[in-house]
Amino acid sequence: QKEVEQNSGPLSVPEGAIASLNCTYSDRGSQSFFWYRQYSGKSPELIMSIYSNGDKEDGRFTAQLNKASQYVSLLIRDSQPSDSATYLCAVARWSGAGSYQLTFGKGTKLSVIP
Amino acid sequence: EAGVTQFPSHSVIEKGQTVTLRCDPISGHDNLYWYRRVMGKEIKFLLHFVKESKQDESGMPNNRFLAERTGGTYSTLKVQPAELEDSGVYFCASSQVEGGPRGTGELFFGEGSRLTVL
Repeated sequence: QKEVEQNSGPLSVPEGAIASLNCTYSDRGSQSFFWYRQYSGKSPELIMSIYSNGDKEDGRFTAQLNKASQYVSLLIRDSQPSDSATYLCAVARWSGAGSYQLTFGKGTKLSVIP
Repeated sequence: EAGVTQFPSHSVIEKGQTVTLRCDPISGHDNLYWYRRVMGKEIKFLLHFVKESKQDESGMPNNRFLAERTGGTYSTLKVQPAELEDSGVYFCASSQVEGGPRGTGELFFGEGSRLTVL
């Protein structure tokens, strides 16, 4: 079983719609959860972090966490063509070797159609 | 303020050769990480420096990989000798805070160094 699993997409949504990105993780000891956005050939950029069960909203972005179901999601409201990118789900866990490591999913490619 | 910079952006070498990748973290960031993404796979942790010390190198694939961070500033990652399976994108990231249960602190990533081994 993959440690962090995401649908690879591509996920296509029309401009103005809600884009819904999902992620499941296998390690119940995971403590922190992140969504990174990566444009082609560019660096991953942190857009949301969430640590507790429930919803966290920041502008057009809402992250949702359900630790019992080991599920994290990202909703993007009023999707814009500039949101077209690959979205990486990442989970932080204690490595046992002295630090927290991020474990990434493969990413979901989002395409917002004008 | 300059972000995380990596050099070279792309390197093409032959199997058996040596390559050295360099990362300049954001000034003042004590924590420096190396990650890599090989073709079709997810980004994976390689190692973590706190200043000049290796905090965690559990992700290093084998002893052909050597990372250094002399003086606690920039870091280098040397692959010697390179093999075909080493091809991929090597990302460097830095952060100011190495967090506890609240996480790693925000990691700022560089654009990566693409390594192609022929």
